[in-house]
Amino acid sequence: DAKTTQPNSMESNEEEPVHLPCNHSTISGTDYIHWYRQLPSQGPEYVIHGLTSNVNNRMASLAIAEDRKSSTLILHRATLRDAAVYYCILRDSPMIYGGSQGNLIFGKGTKLSVKP
Amino acid sequence: NAGVTQTPKFQVLKTGQSMTLQCAQDMNHEYMSWYRQDPGMGLRLIHYSVGAGITDQGEVPNGYNVSRSTTEDFPLRLLSAAPSQTSVYFCASSTLETGASNEQFFGPGTRLTVL
Repeated sequence: DAKTTQPNSMESNEEEPVHLPCNHSTISGTDYIHWYRQLPSQGPEYVIHGLTSNVNNRMASLAIAEDRKSSTLILHRATLRDAAVYYCILRDSPMIYGGSQGNLIFGKGTKLSVKP
Repeated sequence: NAGVTQTPKFQVLKTGQSMTLQCAQDMNHEYMSWYRQDPGMGLRLIHYSVGAGITDQGEVPNGYNVSRSTTEDFPLRLLSAAPSQTSVYFCASSTLETGASNEQFFGPGTRLTVL
């Protein structure tokens, strides 16, 4: 499985933008870049995913480098509720019946702290 | 929709006891999986299933059994609990549609302590 590298921790001030980096230099052409986050004492939740183009949704934006070897999750205005561990995960697609391509391989992620 | 539900929320076992962690989803998802999370660590995949009657091993399957008799349910069995299985267990589900995000939905977790 392709690996990702993330900083162990980051700090942000409330209502300021946050840029969470992820390096994935061994990404393959069919790997999607997925981001999940885990709030304290909860299960992970999906944030966003992309393949080549930058993506926006109601939670965040995903900026993908042209060579796809790195990406950045952008929280436009951090709130206290955004304090969580953020996981950057590479995941193949399409999912093949009976195969393991759908599995998420979690690293340790980046622990984001948000200061009021 | 209730989403992914897990029972129990907390459980304490003695070494050697057996138990089943329950997981159910009401989204008609083909794919279901079990993860464990130890303190300060990311999640590790135990077993997964791509449909009723089909299961496979993940990264850390030893000491755990699974079965998938229905689309909705994916129980995880500990046959003889060991202290090393003390962890938080998460169940997840997703579709298998090609081209979709295949977003995985996670349950709230079961916190298991083995004495």
